[in-house]
Amino acid sequence: DAGVIQSPRHEVTEMGQEVTLRCKPISGHNSLFWYRQTMMRGLELLIYFNNNVPIDDSGMPEDRFSAKMPNASFSTLKIQPSEPRDSAVYFCASSLGQVNQPQHFGDGTRLSIL
Amino acid sequence: DQQVKQNSPSLSVQEGRISILNCDYTNSMFDYFLWYKKYPAEGPTFLISISSIKDKNEDGRFTVFLNKSAKHLSLHIVPSQPGDSAVYFCAARNSGTYKYIFGTGTRLKVLA
Repeated sequence: DAGVIQSPRHEVTEMGQEVTLRCKPISGHNSLFWYRQTMMRGLELLIYFNNNVPIDDSGMPEDRFSAKMPNASFSTLKIQPSEPRDSAVYFCASSLGQVNQPQHFGDGTRLSIL
Repeated sequence: DQQVKQNSPSLSVQEGRISILNCDYTNSMFDYFLWYKKYPAEGPTFLISISSIKDKNEDGRFTVFLNKSAKHLSLHIVPSQPGDSAVYFCAARNSGTYKYIFGTGTRLKVLA
């Protein structure tokens, strides 16, 4: 079975540019999570979707960050405008609802903002 | 405030010996715990979980122990293999919520 697929794997762009990260969750999973990993703060939850609906976006750092899930098989995380402090590895994860099921992670997007 | 703590950033163990990774939590409402393994340039991979109704769960070489009174869990790997060298994260949540809280990870190095 295909796991969670993220693209691109690496993104290098200049400050001020728009960045879009993409995620395809595991088929049949109805919960999707976006995380950011940094040395300073570890793995932080940015936003959680259940059945394509954003449930909790309290982890989104500021208005420059937005996320969408137009259907069950696709989600995007957008940063506009990007800043150097947004440089991090961004992970997408999916799971089967709210029962005690583990989250399955993609391989991440390493984002560098110059 | 770090609700899930992994106080050892790194650990080195000889191949064939036991690796013990520790995790402490502060929130007594947590009742479901997981361990993830992460290789460089890959996402975390689910390893093993334990519910608070148990104090031990075993899967092959991996065993997780939960001490609720001490708010402590540990992952035992026996015997350790060089392929086990990775960063290990523990995570916890209250089953009434969706949000997992992750520790900061312990880097395990298994020496051949």
